[in-house]
Formats: sequence, structure tokens, C-alpha cells
Amino acid sequence: NAGVTQTPKFQVLKTGQSMTLQCAQDMNHNSMYWYRQDPGMGLRLIYYSASEGTTDKGEVPNGYNVSRLNKREFSLRLESAAPSQTSVYFCASSDPRDRGLNEQFFGPGTRLTVL
Amino acid sequence: AQSVSQHNHHVILSEAASLELGCNYSYGGTVNLFWYVQYPGQHLQLLLKYFSGDPLVKGIKGFEAEFIKSKFSFNLRKPSVQWSDTAEYFCAASRAPGGFKTIFGAGTRLFVKA
Repeated sequence: NAGVTQTPKFQVLKTGQSMTLQCAQDMNHNSMYWYRQDPGMGLRLIYYSASEGTTDKGEVPNGYNVSRLNKREFSLRLESAAPSQTSVYFCASSDPRDRGLNEQFFGPGTRLTVL
Repeated sequence: AQSVSQHNHHVILSEAASLELGCNYSYGGTVNLFWYVQYPGQHLQLLLKYFSGDPLVKGIKGFEAEFIKSKFSFNLRKPSVQWSDTAEYFCAASRAPGGFKTIFGAGTRLFVKA
């Protein structure tokens, strides 16, 4: 089991460029999440997908879009990158049906710098 | 509004010292509570979790946490820290049962001096 995988690991963009962060999980989890991690602010939820075919906004969705491609894959797109989107991005998955407990499993992260 | 507060942003301890990291949450209704750890250069992993039953929960590597409902707290403890415990620790909460959104605290960076 690879768990949760993310690509790329590092990325540098210029302001206005677009890119897609990829995430896949092999644990047969229903729910998937995208977070950003900034110093002193912990993890903030960008978007989540409770189940295949659904997506919902989290705390900080502006400037991002997501696609739940299938049960395994959940991508995050930046249409026009801004320096404020410089951050480390984590994908996570969970199965809240498991004892009603939303224990999350995280990927290794993508470090994104927007110049 | 739902929130999770961690009292200390940076903690420096010597090996063998005792550790207590504070966490308070503001969340209506029943909650699940978690502590996650992020070792340098690694991704977050679960340290321990509370969802029901005994309010004193034990996790990996000798960590434990106590859920005190009346104080809305879930503090993390370890009697004797090691250099390898140097990491960032995050408290988190989600609605029970089966809440999708998890709220994370800002994190506490622990540095253990050898």
C-alpha cells in the first residue's frame, strides 16, 4: 500500500501561471481533502470531497478548483497563481464511516512557490 | 465559530523532561479529537485519537492525552521526552460521528535538546 501519494513534490510558478496538483489514495477511502499549511496557521482546509462525485468548499477555497476524478483521485487546480498561494499543500483521505471517526491519512505534500 | 487553540507555538525541552502541550477546542456538540505529529521533512501522521469511552487515551511512542469535557481541553503529555520527539504537533477536532471537516490548531514546534 502506497497510502496517499502526491505529485509534484516541488513546484515554482510565476504569477498568473496555472497548474494542477495531483493526489491519489489506495485505501478505498470515500473522503478526500486538500489543505494548505502556512507557518503559524496550522492546516487550513481548501476543499474536500465527502464521496465520489461531490466536492465542497472548506475554509480557504478562493483561487482554487478541485476535481474528484474517481474514488482514488482528487486534484487541486490553481487557475492563475498568486504569491499568496505560496504554501505547502497536503492531500488527505479518510473514511468517516469507520466508527464515525474522521481519522485522516496524509500525503507527503507539495511545496509550491509563486514568484 | 469552530476553532482549535494550541497554547504554545514553540517549546524547548531537554531530554528526559516532561511534556505537556495544551489544546482547547470550541465546537458545538460531540467531537472527535486528534493529535497529529509532523517530523522534520515528513508528512503528518496520527499520534492518538479520542472518540468515546475512557477520556485518557494512549498513543504511539509513549504519548497520552486527556479529554476534559468541562474544560473543552485535550492536552498532550509525555513523561520523558527524547531527542527524536523533535517535531511539530497539531491538535485537531471534528464533529462526531462522521464529520467531514476537521479543524486544526496552529501547531506547536517542539525542540528537544540532546
